[in-house]
Amino acid sequence: GAVVSQHPSRVICKSGTSVKIECRSLDFQATTMFWYRQFPKKSLMLMATSNEGSKATYEQGVEKDKFLINHASLTLSTLTVTSAHPEDSSFYICSARGWTSSYEQYFGPGTRLTVT
Amino acid sequence: RKEVEQDPGPFNVPEGATVAFNCTYSNSASQSFFWYRQDCRKEPKLLMSVYSSGNEDGRFTAQLNRASQYISLLIRDSKLSDSATYLCVVGRSGQNFVFGPGTRLSVLP
Repeated sequence: GAVVSQHPSRVICKSGTSVKIECRSLDFQATTMFWYRQFPKKSLMLMATSNEGSKATYEQGVEKDKFLINHASLTLSTLTVTSAHPEDSSFYICSARGWTSSYEQYFGPGTRLTVT
Repeated sequence: RKEVEQDPGPFNVPEGATVAFNCTYSNSASQSFFWYRQDCRKEPKLLMSVYSSGNEDGRFTAQLNRASQYISLLIRDSKLSDSATYLCVVGRSGQNFVFGPGTRLSVLP
């Protein structure tokens, strides 16, 4: 159980375009989803936390107008990187937490974004 | 000071060795603690939760010392497949996770 999927797994886009990444919890309802980014050989950095049906909470330094997060249902959250630039190239990983009292988060397989 | 600190390694150990990692955290109000493992270019996977009483899962033992604010992970009888980066993860208020930078382990044949 506790499977999280992400789509696409890899995407290459041109500067100035927007890219949408989907995160789905396949076998449980995710009350909270988290979006992280990871640069090579660096740790995961939390970008934002989203609760179903409400606005995402962004970490300091993360531009909410650039990284649009939508958590429209209990099984789907999307991250849209708007007007992408080469410095946005990174590994984006989502995680999800369900209704249980456990704090455990289950991670999606990640999306590798390359902006040319 | 970073909120979660780990020795980045790498730790290069022979198969069968016992290896231990430590992690320190600065926020005394931290509520939950985990060890995750991350393989190269893959997502982190939960290895084990860390409880106040400590816990053991096969060859892996995790300990929590709240007074000194550190967490440890002990791996016995290392296997080649244990080679990975081990991430110390601390849950803070609001249940957000803070990740340590990770400790790289290479188990050598």
